[in-house]
Amino acid sequence: DGGITQSPKYLFRKEGQNVTLSCEQNLNHDAMYWYRQDPGQGLRLIYYSQIVNDFQKGDIAEGYSVSREKKESFPLTVTSAQKNPTAFYLCASSPSSGGYEQFFGPGTRLTVL
Amino acid sequence: GQSLEQPSEVTAVEGAIVQINCTYQTSGFYGLSWYQQHDGGAPTFLSYNALDGLEETGRFSSFLSRSDSYGYLLLQELQMKDSASYFCAVRDIGAGNKLTFGGGTRVLVKP
Repeated sequence: DGGITQSPKYLFRKEGQNVTLSCEQNLNHDAMYWYRQDPGQGLRLIYYSQIVNDFQKGDIAEGYSVSREKKESFPLTVTSAQKNPTAFYLCASSPSSGGYEQFFGPGTRLTVL
Repeated sequence: GQSLEQPSEVTAVEGAIVQINCTYQTSGFYGLSWYQQHDGGAPTFLSYNALDGLEETGRFSSFLSRSDSYGYLLLQELQMKDSASYFCAVRDIGAGNKLTFGGGTRVLVKP
């Protein structure tokens, strides 16, 4: 079955530590995205990548970093520079020509203690 | 920049019809998408309007009017499982595949 996987589902970290969230897709999609969702809020774009070895900042990129070395993988690192990292993080992918329909992973809920 | 406005919450009973409005401000966009998200879950794609008019997919329909900068999602024959948050999103011209989401409308279906 094709889809997007994110791991882990729940993640706890101490303040000041960097943490990397995994996102893998086997849908053969060129484009991948990372969103942040706070309770009762919409999705805000952190970073997106339309092709391997290329990515662009979204609306709230400060304190985050990404890499896109393989088509299937788009890991997100939440650095200690992110002032309020506790949130629900969602990864998505889409075909290069069909960005209006994005396919989402199950999400990672990050809690920084 | 872009902004999308949706009502924060709507409550209705089973079998009823609910309309979720989405008004937007953007200089140019390809179309309006709608997503559903159950509590704690991932958003799932519902529909997309590239052109003005009504798109029907089973119990759900979506409408777009570019001249009014307005769209809506219509949920018919409401079921308990329709209790979820619904988001509109636009893909701006010149922004590649980037989507901008509205704040979401929480729909609560009561027996």
